[in-house]
This record gives sequence, structure tokens and C-alpha cells, in this order.
Amino acid sequence: DAGITQSPRHKVTETGTPVTLRCHQTENHRYMYWYRQDPGHGLRLIHYSYGVKDTDKGEVSDGYSVSRSKTEDFLLTLESATSSQTSVYFCAISERLGDYNEQFFGPGTRLTVL
Amino acid sequence: DQQVKQNSPSLSVQEGRISILNCDYTNSMFDYFLWYKKYPAEGPTFLISISSIKDKNEDGRFTVFLNKSAKHLSLHIVPSQPGDSAVYFCAASPNNNDMRFGAGTRLTVKP
Repeated sequence: DAGITQSPRHKVTETGTPVTLRCHQTENHRYMYWYRQDPGHGLRLIHYSYGVKDTDKGEVSDGYSVSRSKTEDFLLTLESATSSQTSVYFCAISERLGDYNEQFFGPGTRLTVL
Repeated sequence: DQQVKQNSPSLSVQEGRISILNCDYTNSMFDYFLWYKKYPAEGPTFLISISSIKDKNEDGRFTVFLNKSAKHLSLHIVPSQPGDSAVYFCAASPNNNDMRFGAGTRLTVKP
């Protein structure tokens, strides 16, 4: 299994509070991604990173920010959580951009915003 | 705007029979297609892919068929096994930095 961990695995928070999810990899892969999975939508890309301090927006980036200060860590922040951000969040890594058959996913974080 | 659609939320088949999972897409710019498999409490894992220059790709019990004119692809699993029970996501990419997923189909293979 690819070395990807996500923390926390479960979180319940209240509307308006800030939340940070962490993705940690031990594979030294260049690209890291954050997705959310919702019923009826599959997975949707939030943000991705192509190197330390290099990030770009995905399909559903509004309300989210990311940071990558080290190769191994990619943080997803909800500055002020809303109920619409209740979802399961997956981190993924790949060595090459667009190399989707070599994109490995973490176990996911279930976030509930009350 | 759902560009990749899996219209069957669930599918149940008997062990040993064929499972056929379907996927439709609307964006003619998609040129690479993938299937992922997901077990509960785990992340998706890559299963099989196909480029738009092909119409079939086979890997063991898994075969993906692509019909570009119909904007349709399907995943065939033969023979189906109880361990194949999972959610299957179809995904498509129009370039190297974007990928769109379908909503998934839950496959149950009964012993």
C-alpha cells in the first residue's frame, strides 16, 4: 500500500469554525490532491499541488484553501466550515501529473459540520 | 453539470456470472478513461483504464469497452466473485490536470 495517511479520520464540528485536514505521504511523490466525495457526485477535485508552495484550484475550490510547506504534507483548510462541506475527503498522490492510473488515495476523512 | 454519469446506483449479480457496469459521458474532449474500485472505509484504488484511441482493454477478469460515438464505456467482470463487491467509479480526463468522476455503482456479488 502507498504510504498515505490522513488525519483526523473523523471529525464533527460546528458551522463557522475553522477546520484543517492533514494528508501525509512517505512516497516522496510530487503531486498531491484533495477530493471530496458526496452521494450522487462521486469524487470532485478541490485543490491540487505540484510541488512545495505550488498549488492550483480544482473543480470545487470555493470555501477551501490549501498549503504545502513540505513535500510530504498537504493541508486542506476550511476557514469557516458550513454544513454544505459535510463530506468525505480523500487525499491522493501521484508521481506525475495526469498519471491517473498511478494515483494513490488515502483512507479518507469523514467530516460532519453541524 | 455532471459530465460523467453512472445511471445505475446499484447492481446485483450471482457469483460466476458477468457483471456489466455502465458509464456515459458528455464531454467530447475526454480522451482517457478509468475505473476505480472502492471498499468501505478505504480510498479508491485504480482498476483499469483505456485511452480514446482504443475500443477495448483487458486485464484478467476485467475488460473495459469504449464506444466513442455513443460516448459510452462499460466495465465487464467475468466471472464475478464475492470479493468484487464494492463501489465502482468511472472517471474521465480531458487533459493532464483534470479528472471527472461518476457518482459510482455499488456492485454486490452474491455467493
